[in-house]
Amino acid sequence: KAGVTQTPRYLIKTRGQQVTLSCSPISGHRSVSWYQQTPGQGLQFLFEYFSETQRNKGNFPGRFSGRQFSNSRSEMNVSTLELGDSALYLCASSGGGAESSYEQYFGPGTRLTVT
Amino acid sequence: AQKVTQAQTEISVVEKEDVTLDCVYETRDTTYYLFWYKQPPSGELVFLIRRNSFDEQNEISGRYSWNFQKSTSSFNFTITASQVVDSAVYFCALISNFGNEKLTFGTGTRLTIIP
Repeated sequence: KAGVTQTPRYLIKTRGQQVTLSCSPISGHRSVSWYQQTPGQGLQFLFEYFSETQRNKGNFPGRFSGRQFSNSRSEMNVSTLELGDSALYLCASSGGGAESSYEQYFGPGTRLTVT
Repeated sequence: AQKVTQAQTEISVVEKEDVTLDCVYETRDTTYYLFWYKQPPSGELVFLIRRNSFDEQNEISGRYSWNFQKSTSSFNFTITASQVVDSAVYFCALISNFGNEKLTFGTGTRLTIIP
């Protein structure tokens, strides 16, 4: 079974631009969560999508948004990029339903650098 | 609110020594899940184990073992006969408030195995 894939793996953007990151979950998984990892703040939860609906959201500004498609693939968007948005963005998938084991499997991440 | 504390920021041991990584958690929920993840230099978080709050049975898997004690809110991880490939950052994490899949991570312990 293929694992979680994320594209692109590396990205360099300029302040003020916007960026879209993509995540394809493990086949059959319906929950996709996004995390931001920085040296200063560690691993922080951004949001979770399940069956195309945002089920939970972390404490990030509205510039961070996401969506999930009917095939469970997910995208996250960051608008008006700031230097502090430079981070490793990790996507995780899990079953997500009532039968969920809550085991989340992570992709390789997208490393975003904002200059 | 929930919280995970990994007091050990960095640990270095000589190859073949045993090493224990500490994790202390806080949650008001009686039902929760605890996790350990490994993050090698490549950046991808690798799932190692999940325990639920009703199962305090300790577990051994090869060179890995886990000690879950609800009385002290601890979920420690031991590697026996460490190897250079064990060098990574290890994260302890918690899920409670079921109905979503938000992982709360500790700050991680960087483990270096010296050959």
